[in-house]
Amino acid sequence: SQTIHQWPATLVQPVGSPLSLECTVEGTSNPNLYWYRQAAGRGLQLLFYSVGIGQISSEVPQNLSASRPQDRQFILSSKKLLLSDSGFYLCAWSQGLARGTEAFFGQGTRLTVV
Amino acid sequence: GESVGLHLPTLSVQEGDNSIINCAYSNSASDYFIWYKQESGKGPQFIIDIRSNMDKRQGQRVTVLLNKTVKHLSLQIAATQPGDSAVYFCAETSNAGNMLTFGGGTRLMVKP
Repeated sequence: SQTIHQWPATLVQPVGSPLSLECTVEGTSNPNLYWYRQAAGRGLQLLFYSVGIGQISSEVPQNLSASRPQDRQFILSSKKLLLSDSGFYLCAWSQGLARGTEAFFGQGTRLTVV
Repeated sequence: GESVGLHLPTLSVQEGDNSIINCAYSNSASDYFIWYKQESGKGPQFIIDIRSNMDKRQGQRVTVLLNKTVKHLSLQIAATQPGDSAVYFCAETSNAGNMLTFGGGTRLMVKP
Protein backbone atom coordinates (compact mmCIF):
# COMPACT_ATOMS: atom_id res chain seq x y z
CA SER A 1 0.00 0.00 0.00
CA GLN A 2 1.03 3.57 -0.57
CA THR A 3 2.13 5.82 2.27
CA ILE A 4 3.27 9.40 2.51
CA HIS A 5 5.69 10.63 5.12
CA GLN A 6 6.19 14.24 6.04
CA TRP A 7 8.57 15.62 8.63
CA PRO A 8 9.09 17.22 11.00
CA ALA A 9 5.61 17.41 12.53
CA THR A 10 6.32 20.72 14.24
CA LEU A 11 9.04 23.28 13.76
CA VAL A 12 9.88 26.60 15.38
CA GLN A 13 12.36 28.70 13.46
CA PRO A 14 13.66 32.25 13.87
CA VAL A 15 13.07 34.90 11.24
CA GLY A 16 15.82 34.84 8.65
CA SER A 17 16.75 31.20 9.18
CA PRO A 18 16.60 28.61 6.38
CA LEU A 19 13.91 25.98 6.01
CA SER A 20 13.82 22.47 4.65
CA LEU A 21 10.71 20.31 4.86
CA GLU A 22 10.81 16.85 3.38
CA CYS A 23 8.10 14.63 1.99
CA THR A 24 8.48 11.10 0.69
CA VAL A 25 6.02 8.68 -0.83
CA GLU A 26 6.26 4.91 -0.75
CA GLY A 27 4.49 2.22 -2.69
CA THR A 28 3.98 4.06 -5.95
CA SER A 29 6.03 5.42 -8.83
CA ASN A 30 5.94 8.67 -10.80
CA PRO A 31 3.36 10.33 -8.56
CA ASN A 32 2.23 13.91 -8.86
CA LEU A 33 3.44 15.73 -5.75
CA TYR A 34 2.06 18.85 -4.10
CA TRP A 35 2.92 21.34 -1.37
CA TYR A 36 0.08 23.26 0.26
CA ARG A 37 0.05 25.83 3.01
CA GLN A 38 -2.80 26.41 5.42
CA ALA A 39 -2.97 29.43 7.71
CA ALA A 40 -4.83 28.95 11.01
CA GLY A 41 -8.56 28.68 10.39
CA ARG A 42 -8.14 29.09 6.64
CA GLY A 43 -8.30 27.03 3.48
CA LEU A 44 -5.50 25.26 1.62
CA GLN A 45 -3.31 27.27 -0.72
CA LEU A 46 -1.42 25.39 -3.41
CA LEU A 47 2.25 26.41 -3.38
CA PHE A 48 3.98 23.99 -5.75
CA TYR A 49 3.25 20.86 -7.71
CA SER A 50 5.44 18.46 -9.61
CA VAL A 51 4.61 15.93 -12.29
CA GLY A 52 8.12 14.44 -12.45
CA ILE A 53 11.73 14.63 -11.28
CA GLY A 54 13.07 18.15 -11.63
CA GLN A 55 9.69 19.49 -12.82
CA ILE A 56 8.30 22.12 -10.48
CA SER A 57 5.35 24.43 -11.05
CA SER A 58 4.93 27.37 -8.71
CA GLU A 59 1.48 28.75 -8.05
CA VAL A 60 2.22 31.57 -5.63
CA PRO A 61 5.24 33.90 -5.82
CA GLN A 62 7.03 33.96 -2.48
CA ASN A 63 10.35 33.29 -0.81
CA LEU A 64 9.78 29.54 -0.83
CA SER A 65 11.09 27.05 -3.36
CA ALA A 66 10.54 23.37 -4.04
CA SER A 67 12.69 20.64 -5.45
CA ARG A 68 12.15 17.05 -6.51
CA PRO A 69 15.54 15.36 -6.52
CA GLN A 70 14.07 11.85 -6.67
CA ASP A 71 10.86 10.40 -8.01
CA ARG A 72 9.20 10.07 -4.62
CA GLN A 73 10.86 12.92 -2.74
CA PHE A 74 9.57 16.48 -2.59
CA ILE A 75 11.35 19.19 -0.61
CA LEU A 76 10.10 22.63 0.39
CA SER A 77 12.82 25.16 1.16
CA SER A 78 13.49 28.74 2.05
CA LYS A 79 16.76 30.61 2.36
CA LYS A 80 15.38 33.17 4.82
CA LEU A 81 12.09 32.68 6.62
CA LEU A 82 9.63 35.49 7.18
CA LEU A 83 7.05 35.77 9.94
CA SER A 84 4.35 35.38 7.30
CA ASP A 85 5.71 31.93 6.43
CA SER A 86 4.16 30.52 9.59
CA GLY A 87 1.46 27.98 8.88
CA PHE A 88 0.54 24.36 8.43
CA TYR A 89 2.36 22.84 5.46
CA LEU A 90 0.89 19.81 3.79
CA CYS A 91 2.42 17.49 1.24
CA ALA A 92 0.19 15.41 -0.99
CA TRP A 93 0.49 12.91 -3.83
CA SER A 94 -1.78 11.60 -6.53
CA GLN A 95 -1.48 9.02 -9.24
CA GLY A 96 -3.13 11.27 -11.77
CA LEU A 97 -6.10 13.42 -10.96
CA ALA A 98 -7.10 13.35 -14.61
CA ARG A 99 -7.74 9.62 -14.22
CA GLY A 100 -10.10 10.28 -11.39
CA THR A 101 -7.90 9.26 -8.49
CA GLU A 102 -7.81 11.45 -5.45
CA ALA A 103 -4.83 13.09 -3.77
CA PHE A 104 -3.55 11.71 -0.48
CA PHE A 105 -2.17 13.99 2.19
CA GLY A 106 0.56 13.70 4.76
CA GLN A 107 -0.03 14.65 8.36
CA GLY A 108 1.45 18.11 7.92
CA THR A 109 4.20 20.24 9.44
CA ARG A 110 3.23 23.08 11.70
CA LEU A 111 5.81 25.83 11.19
CA THR A 112 6.04 28.77 13.55
CA VAL A 113 8.43 31.55 12.62
CA VAL A 114 9.40 33.66 15.63
CA GLY B 1 -12.05 28.85 -6.61
CA GLU B 2 -9.77 29.43 -3.67
CA SER B 3 -10.79 31.48 -0.68
CA VAL B 4 -7.72 31.02 1.42
CA GLY B 5 -7.96 34.52 2.88
CA LEU B 6 -11.41 34.10 4.42
CA HIS B 7 -12.32 32.73 7.83
CA LEU B 8 -14.09 29.41 7.58
CA PRO B 9 -17.90 29.53 7.77
CA THR B 10 -19.43 27.28 10.39
CA LEU B 11 -22.37 24.91 10.12
CA SER B 12 -23.81 23.75 13.43
CA VAL B 13 -26.16 20.76 13.43
CA GLN B 14 -27.79 18.52 16.00
CA GLU B 15 -26.57 14.95 16.27
CA GLY B 16 -28.75 12.72 14.12
CA ASP B 17 -29.78 15.48 11.73
CA ASN B 18 -28.66 15.62 8.12
CA SER B 19 -25.94 18.08 7.12
CA ILE B 20 -25.52 19.85 3.81
CA ILE B 21 -22.24 21.56 3.00
CA ASN B 22 -22.03 23.65 -0.13
CA CYS B 23 -19.20 24.66 -2.40
CA ALA B 24 -19.00 26.87 -5.46
CA TYR B 25 -16.27 26.46 -8.03
CA SER B 26 -15.21 28.82 -10.76
CA ASN B 27 -13.39 26.79 -13.40
CA SER B 28 -15.85 25.47 -15.96
CA ALA B 29 -13.09 23.22 -17.33
CA SER B 30 -12.79 21.27 -14.06
CA ASP B 31 -13.97 17.71 -14.53
CA TYR B 32 -13.15 15.95 -11.29
CA PHE B 33 -14.21 16.99 -7.80
CA ILE B 34 -13.32 15.71 -4.36
CA TRP B 35 -14.60 16.29 -0.86
CA TYR B 36 -12.08 16.15 1.97
CA LYS B 37 -12.51 16.08 5.74
CA GLN B 38 -9.85 17.67 7.90
CA GLU B 39 -9.70 17.14 11.63
CA SER B 40 -7.76 19.54 13.82
CA GLY B 41 -4.00 19.26 13.36
CA LYS B 42 -4.23 16.58 10.68
CA GLY B 43 -4.02 16.38 6.93
CA PRO B 44 -7.21 16.25 4.83
CA GLN B 45 -8.77 12.84 4.31
CA PHE B 46 -10.68 11.76 1.22
CA ILE B 47 -14.43 11.37 1.66
CA ILE B 48 -15.98 11.04 -1.78
CA ASP B 49 -15.37 12.14 -5.34
CA ILE B 50 -17.38 12.72 -8.47
CA ARG B 51 -16.60 13.19 -12.14
CA SER B 52 -18.29 15.82 -14.25
CA ASN B 53 -20.22 13.24 -16.26
CA MET B 54 -22.25 12.48 -13.14
CA ASP B 55 -24.56 14.66 -11.08
CA LYS B 56 -24.85 12.46 -8.01
CA ARG B 57 -22.76 9.90 -6.22
CA GLN B 58 -23.47 8.12 -2.97
CA GLY B 59 -21.18 6.62 -0.39
CA GLN B 60 -21.70 5.40 3.12
CA ARG B 61 -23.83 8.12 4.80
CA VAL B 62 -22.51 10.70 2.31
CA THR B 63 -23.84 11.95 -1.01
CA VAL B 64 -22.21 14.40 -3.37
CA LEU B 65 -24.31 16.42 -5.80
CA LEU B 66 -22.83 18.27 -8.75
CA ASN B 67 -24.61 21.03 -10.66
CA LYS B 68 -22.38 22.01 -13.55
CA THR B 69 -24.80 24.63 -14.81
CA VAL B 70 -24.27 26.83 -11.77
CA LYS B 71 -20.87 25.36 -10.83
CA HIS B 72 -22.07 24.13 -7.48
CA LEU B 73 -21.12 21.11 -5.44
CA SER B 74 -22.69 19.88 -2.23
CA LEU B 75 -21.93 17.23 0.35
CA GLN B 76 -24.78 15.68 2.26
CA ILE B 77 -24.09 13.75 5.45
CA ALA B 78 -26.91 11.63 6.75
CA ALA B 79 -27.51 11.14 10.48
CA THR B 80 -24.62 13.39 11.45
CA GLN B 81 -22.50 12.09 14.32
CA PRO B 82 -20.10 13.86 16.71
CA GLY B 83 -17.21 12.21 14.88
CA ASP B 84 -18.23 14.13 11.76
CA SER B 85 -17.16 17.38 13.39
CA ALA B 86 -14.33 18.70 11.25
CA VAL B 87 -13.56 21.13 8.45
CA TYR B 88 -14.79 20.03 5.03
CA PHE B 89 -13.19 21.15 1.79
CA CYS B 90 -14.21 20.68 -1.78
CA ALA B 91 -11.46 20.45 -4.37
CA GLU B 92 -11.40 20.55 -8.16
CA THR B 93 -8.88 19.58 -10.77
CA SER B 94 -7.64 21.91 -13.43
CA ASN B 95 -4.71 22.23 -15.81
CA ALA B 96 -5.12 18.87 -17.49
CA GLY B 97 -5.69 17.21 -14.18
CA ASN B 98 -2.37 17.97 -12.52
CA MET B 99 -3.51 20.71 -10.14
CA LEU B 100 -5.87 20.25 -7.21
CA THR B 101 -7.46 23.53 -6.12
CA PHE B 102 -9.37 23.78 -2.87
CA GLY B 103 -12.44 25.75 -1.96
CA GLY B 104 -12.54 27.82 1.22
CA GLY B 105 -13.84 25.10 3.54
CA THR B 106 -16.70 24.81 6.02
CA ARG B 107 -16.42 23.94 9.69
CA LEU B 108 -19.06 21.42 10.76
CA MET B 109 -19.92 21.33 14.45
CA VAL B 110 -22.19 18.56 15.71
CA LYS B 111 -24.06 19.20 18.93
CA PRO B 112 -24.82 16.12 21.05
